[in-house]
Amino acid sequence: EPEVTQTPSHQVTQMGQEVILRCVPISNHLYFYWYRQILGQKVEFLVSFYNNEISEKSEIFDDQFSVERPDGSNFTLKIRSTKLEDSAMYFCASSQPYPGTEETQYFGPGTRLLVL
Amino acid sequence: AQKITQTQPGMFVQEKEAVTLDCTYDTSDPSYGLFWYKQPSSGEMIFLIYQGSYDQQNATEGRYSLNFQKARKSANLVISASQLGDSAMYFCAMRGHSGGGADGLTFGKGTHLIIQP
Repeated sequence: EPEVTQTPSHQVTQMGQEVILRCVPISNHLYFYWYRQILGQKVEFLVSFYNNEISEKSEIFDDQFSVERPDGSNFTLKIRSTKLEDSAMYFCASSQPYPGTEETQYFGPGTRLLVL
Repeated sequence: AQKITQTQPGMFVQEKEAVTLDCTYDTSDPSYGLFWYKQPSSGEMIFLIYQGSYDQQNATEGRYSLNFQKARKSANLVISASQLGDSAMYFCAMRGHSGGGADGLTFGKGTHLIIQP
């Protein structure tokens, strides 16, 4: 069964460093998403991406964040200058187009980011 | 703005009993989707069940069913014949349809379900 994959599973970085989180969405999906979950809290939407551009972003997704689809399979989230409060689990998700097709978002296993 | 409310932070249930996890929502979108996800201690988010706002029948997926009461704006998850492996966090989420196909999900705070033998 096709699934969303994410690398790395864990990343430790120093405050102020840049990190790139990588995702491979399900191959026939067209919509891609990033979410984060601070430890013990609910999952929060960051950004959605369709047709090589950002479709929607939350207020969390400020100028230190960027997303890119560098090739036909990968979808990346870059955090330019990490802060302590960026420590969280980051989930990538993908879905097929709506309407008329299944709109369920399937999540990857997550990348646990720790900023020291 | 959309909001999901899960009022049960934690629940203890005996194995083989049925479980109902509560979820209420608020939205101004005329069309929306409701989802339940399971998050075991390993951390991944596992999709369980989906209900569209215009679906006439309650969704079912194996032991999972969604008790959708549109007028009450509730979308409770029912797990029949609970198993030890059902122990996990359960999140209710919704997606409005105002932004086309790329709307982000709004999640509730979750319910921590523990199944006891």
